[in-house]
Amino acid sequence: SQQGEEDPQALSIQEGENATMNCSYKTSINNLQWYRQNSGRGLVHLILIRSNEREKHSGRLRVTLDTSKKSSSLLITASRAADTASYFCEAGGSEKLVFGKGTKLTVNP
Amino acid sequence: DTGVSQDPRHKITKRGQNVTFRCDPISEHNRLYWYRQTLGQGPEFLTYFQNEAQLEKSRLLSDRFSAERPKGSFSTLEIQRTEQGDSAMYLCASSREQGPGETQYFGPGTRLLVL
Repeated sequence: SQQGEEDPQALSIQEGENATMNCSYKTSINNLQWYRQNSGRGLVHLILIRSNEREKHSGRLRVTLDTSKKSSSLLITASRAADTASYFCEAGGSEKLVFGKGTKLTVNP
Repeated sequence: DTGVSQDPRHKITKRGQNVTFRCDPISEHNRLYWYRQTLGQGPEFLTYFQNEAQLEKSRLLSDRFSAERPKGSFSTLEIQRTEQGDSAMYLCASSREQGPGETQYFGPGTRLLVL
């Protein structure tokens, strides 16, 4: 696995707005995963997108993958205060996961 | 609740003391991982087990650190002669053995503070 780099490092929005965060990586991958971490807690797996997929949906989450640009985006629609968390991408798919610093999302009520 | 539990959730110790953390994975998962996370950073891989075999160790895992999974179920992570730099969140995760990309389920973590 390689380290994905999330962008922006911090994002603050109002409840109901959409939140978009991006992930860039450097070498070819088998899949890319997004995780969420609430403050002081463990990580929760959100979604996995394989290298032959371009877009995937799960509830209010939409993930895109552009292997030509080596980038992925995570869109959270109609955000809620409970979405406040750090979001991490993990690019590659080997046994050991490698994380960047994450995007810290704050959703203001 | 992912089904992975860790104990204790918080530990405060004095420099030089030994500490031991426990992780109970999801019962049918034969892979177990340890990560360390410091403030403002993502989790960093420490080591992982497949059943009772420790298959990989990071260079972050100095000789003061030892991890075991004696019966292929729960695991312990021991830190000897703790240093202030060991202060971090220690996360455990488990997964099935189905190759790369298999989802890892994380526990709530043990937060260690070394005074």
